Amino acid sequence: KNQVEQSPQSLIILEGKNCTLQCNYTVSPFSNLRWYKQDTGRGPVSLTIMTFSENTKSNGRYTATLDADTKQSSLHITASQLSDSASYICVVSGVWGKLQFGAGTQVVVTP
Amino acid sequence: NAGVTQTPKFRVLKTGQSMTLLCAQDMNHEYMYWYRQDPGMGLRLIHYSVGEGTTAKGEVPDGYNVSRLKKQNFLLGLESAAPSQTSVYFCASRALAANEQFFGPGTRLTVL
Repeated sequence: KNQVEQSPQSLIILEGKNCTLQCNYTVSPFSNLRWYKQDTGRGPVSLTIMTFSENTKSNGRYTATLDADTKQSSLHITASQLSDSASYICVVSGVWGKLQFGAGTQVVVTP
Repeated sequence: NAGVTQTPKFRVLKTGQSMTLLCAQDMNHEYMYWYRQDPGMGLRLIHYSVGEGTTAKGEVPDGYNVSRLKKQNFLLGLESAAPSQTSVYFCASRALAANEQFFGPGTRLTVL
């Protein structure tokens, strides 16, 4: 069973609207959690990284939150743009540096 | 500064053929990784290297071999390709004291 579960699998949103992606993990002990953006046909690119002591991190219109007690994270996209169409991957690192990847949420932003 | 590059971008093989995927990074990173990405699944680690001349097995190493003869290059070999190895392969690298991995653009491999 994957130790990092993401939901929804996919979503379609209108340009300009907001959306929130979810990540639940069971990785323990936990070191940090990252969100990556992967455009079609490209490699993942880091958006945010949070350690267990951080509960929010922003990168422009992207805001990630972390609740280490409930082992949940979310990525909020504000005022979506067409260029936000991509797969968003949640990645959790254990203390020994091993990364566990979620399967990703495919976001499609329509005009 | 090209970051992480991968060659080739696409390849089609017949079952039983062999090939080598090349990953190169110009950031002087110590760590390098090979992953595969399959539909509906997260990236899975095949092999990794913590420095020139060293390699180690990851989560799904069977059917693959790797070599790190030069710090900037990490090669992934398939000696006898199988249809189950049809996937998109990503290379990544990171600096010794850093958390972030930098990914290459990927190689799409199809084994018929």
